[in-house]
Amino acid sequence: EVQLVESGGGLVQPGRSLKLSCAASGFTFSGYNMAWVRQAPKKGLDWVATILYDGSWTYYRDSVKGRFTISRDNAKSTLYLQMDSLMSEDTATYYCATHDNKGYWFPYWGQGTLVTVSS
Amino acid sequence: VQMTQSPSYLAASPGESVSISCKASKRIRNNVAWYQEKPGKANKLLIHSGSTLQSGTPSRFSGSGSGTDFTLTIRSLESEDFAVYYCQQYDEFSFTFGSGTKLEVK
Repeated sequence: EVQLVESGGGLVQPGRSLKLSCAASGFTFSGYNMAWVRQAPKKGLDWVATILYDGSWTYYRDSVKGRFTISRDNAKSTLYLQMDSLMSEDTATYYCATHDNKGYWFPYWGQGTLVTVSS
Repeated sequence: VQMTQSPSYLAASPGESVSISCKASKRIRNNVAWYQEKPGKANKLLIHSGSTLQSGTPSRFSGSGSGTDFTLTIRSLESEDFAVYYCQQYDEFSFTFGSGTKLEVK
C-alpha cells in the first residue's frame, strides 16, 4: 500500500524558514517524479514544485521561486521542501504527492502538514 | 493555463446524476485529471487523460472532453460521492487546478 506521510509543519514567523519532509513507502520511490501541492485555508489546490525521479530537475510555481527548494533522498525514500523567507500567503496545508510514470497527474497524496506563517 | 470550474456548489440526491465542468484558458489536448477530496482522507485521483478511469474508480464516474472543455459526470449518486471535486491540467507547467465543486446532499 502506498503511504506518504508529511511532517515538519507548524507555526513560523514571517521571514523565517521551515523544512517539510515526506516519508514514502509501499512503492519504488526512486522511480517516481514527486511534487508538493498546497491548499490555503478554505481555498483550492495549488501545485508548488516538482522534482524528477533522480533529482536532476526541479520546477516551481512563480510565487515560490527563489524561496522554496524541493529535494529528495532516494536512499531514505524521503521528499523535502525547504521553505525560506516565508510570507503569510504561504499559510496552507502542504501535501506530498506522486506523479504518475506516464504523465503529470497525481495518483497518490499524503494527508498533509499545516504551515501557519504569522507573527 | 487557467482552469475555470463550475458550478462551485451542487446539491443533489442519491440516485441522481450530476455533471461538473472545467474550461481551460487554452487548448490542453486531453491532459486533464479529476480528484475527489474528503475530510480526513487523502485526495483521490478519479480520472486522468480526460476520460481514463484510475484503477479502483467506480464505473458510475466518467470524464469527457478535449481541447478546452471538460466534464466529470457521476451517474446514480451514492452516499460516498458527496465530496469536493477538482479538475487539474497537466498539459504544461505550472500545473493548475480548478477552484473546486462541493457536492452536497439535497
